[in-house]
Order: sequence, then C-alpha cells, then structure tokens
Amino acid sequence: NAGVTQTPKFQVLKTGQSMTLQCAQDMNHEYMSWYRQDPGMGLRLIHYSVGAGITDQGEVPNGYNVSRSTTEDFPLRLLSAAPSQTSVYFCASRLGQQGSYEQYFGPGTRLTVT
Amino acid sequence: AQSVAQPEDQVNVAEGNPLTVKCTYSVSGNPYLFWYVQYPNRGLQFLLKYITGDNLVKGSYGFEAEFNKSQTSFHLKKPSALVSDSALYFCAVRDLAAGNKLTFGGGTRVLVKP
Repeated sequence: NAGVTQTPKFQVLKTGQSMTLQCAQDMNHEYMSWYRQDPGMGLRLIHYSVGAGITDQGEVPNGYNVSRSTTEDFPLRLLSAAPSQTSVYFCASRLGQQGSYEQYFGPGTRLTVT
Repeated sequence: AQSVAQPEDQVNVAEGNPLTVKCTYSVSGNPYLFWYVQYPNRGLQFLLKYITGDNLVKGSYGFEAEFNKSQTSFHLKKPSALVSDSALYFCAVRDLAAGNKLTFGGGTRVLVKP
C-alpha cells in the first residue's frame, strides 16, 4: 500500500491564483481530512469527509473547498490564494468515524503565496 | 470545547537519558488520546493511543505514555533517548462529545544531543 499520497510537494502561487492540492489513499478508509500546519499552532482542521459524497467544515474552512466523489480521493481547492494561506498542508485518513482509530498522514504540501 | 496543551516548545536531553514530553488535555467527556511524531519534512506518524483500560500505554520505537485522569495528563516517555528521536511531537485528543474531532497541541520539539 502507498498509504496517503499528496501532490504537489511544493507550490508557489501569486495572490489571487487558484489551485488544487491532490490527496489519495489506497486503504479504503472512510474518513479523510485536510489540516494546515503553522508554527506553534499545531495542526488545524480545514475540511473533512466521512465518506464519498459527504463533506463538512473544520475550524478554518474559509478560502478552501473540497469534494469527495470517490472513497480514494479528497482534493482541496484554494479559490483565490492569499498570503495567509502560506502553510504546510496535510491530508489524513482513518478507517472510520469511530473515535479510537488513528489517522494516517500524507507527506504534506508546502505552499507559499506571494 | 476540547483542548490540548503542550507546555514546552522544546525539550533538550542527552542521549541515553530519560525523555518526557508533557501533554495536558481538557474535554467534556471521555477522551481518546494520541501521540504523533513528525520528522523533518515528513508527515505525522502515529506513535500510540489511549482508548480505555490500562493507564500505561506502550507504542512504537520504545515510547510509552501514562494516562492520568485526575491530572488530565498524557505525558509521553522513553527510558533512554536516542539521537534519532529528535523530532517534533504532537499530542492530540478526540472527544466523542465534540463530534469526534481531533484536536492537536502546538507541538514540542525534542532535541537529543549525543
């Protein structure tokens, strides 16, 4: 299994540009989520999905969209990039909604918005 | 609302000495507690979790953690640190009463010196 994969690894955007961060998992996990990591702030949840066709907002959803058309894929879209969105983005998945399941993380995408 | 605190931004320890990384939490219900480790330029890796049962939990790479309900703590420990343990460590809590959301602490950087 490849686990959780993310592309690209690095990206530089100009303010106002849009882009999609890709995330895929091959573990047949129901639950997928996107986090951003900023220094000293841990990881903050952007959006999550409990299954194909179902998505919901996390604690910092503004400026981001998601969709979940298949179990495997969970892309994150930046609609109009802003410097405040400079961060490292992690996609994660877990087996199901049960709280005891641990999450598996992708390697991250480092995004810089100028 | 649930929260996690990691009071130390950085912990320095000599190789071979015991390592402790502190974590305290606040939840309204029964917590599920997790520790993750992040090596440079990598995603987070699961170390261990407390769900129920024995308060001492053993995990990967020789790490263990002790759940203390009265002190609302879940400190990570390793009896003899290795230089390769140098990394960023995150404590996280999931509270079923809070919709199963996983909340991360701000992270503690561990530096093990030879």
